[in-house]
Amino acid sequence: EAQVTQNPRYLITVTGKKLTVTCSQNMNHEYMSWYRQDPGLGLRQIYYSMNVEVTDKGDVPEGYKVSRKEKRNFPLILESPSPNQTSLYFCASSRDTSGNTIYFGEGSWLTVV
Amino acid sequence: SQQGEEDPQALSIQEGENATMNCSYKTSINNLQWYRQNSGRGLVHLILIRSNEREKHSGRLRVTLDTSKKSSSLLITASRAADTASYFCATDPIQGAQKLVFGQGTRLTINP
Repeated sequence: EAQVTQNPRYLITVTGKKLTVTCSQNMNHEYMSWYRQDPGLGLRQIYYSMNVEVTDKGDVPEGYKVSRKEKRNFPLILESPSPNQTSLYFCASSRDTSGNTIYFGEGSWLTVV
Repeated sequence: SQQGEEDPQALSIQEGENATMNCSYKTSINNLQWYRQNSGRGLVHLILIRSNEREKHSGRLRVTLDTSKKSSSLLITASRAADTASYFCATDPIQGAQKLVFGQGTRLTINP
């Protein structure tokens, strides 16, 4: 079954404590991205990756890092989380960017206190 | 500002009625997609319409695209309670970064 799997699904953490949200897809997709969803702001892209070792900033990259060492994995790293990073995060992948369907993970609810 | 803007922001109708949601965008696009999101869950792709297409159907869904007006509509016919969700349009701009740009969504509630 085609899947984008992200973990953890729910996390409460404290300001400044580094955390990583993992994302893995089993469809051999080249393109992967991270979004955050906030009330009234819709989905905003944080980072994206066109392929292994190729990453680029989206609309709201501040406070986040990513890596793409393998095609299937695209972790999102918060080096020093702050309360304004409390949000619902989605990982997504697609075969490429030529108008293909994007597959989304189930989301990770992150609360930073 | 967001490329795609949905209208209305919220829509509440009775089961069996048709639901129409609109999306407007600002720049030229390769294609436009509609997604559905159940509360707190991931988005699910519904339908894609390319810039050279004017109308597309999929089951109870009908999507239109008017590139001259830079707008699209999603029609759900014979609505069911299970259609209750948020619906997002996403545009694939011709120019700019390689990404879809999402609107803020329409929250659709189907009352039994």
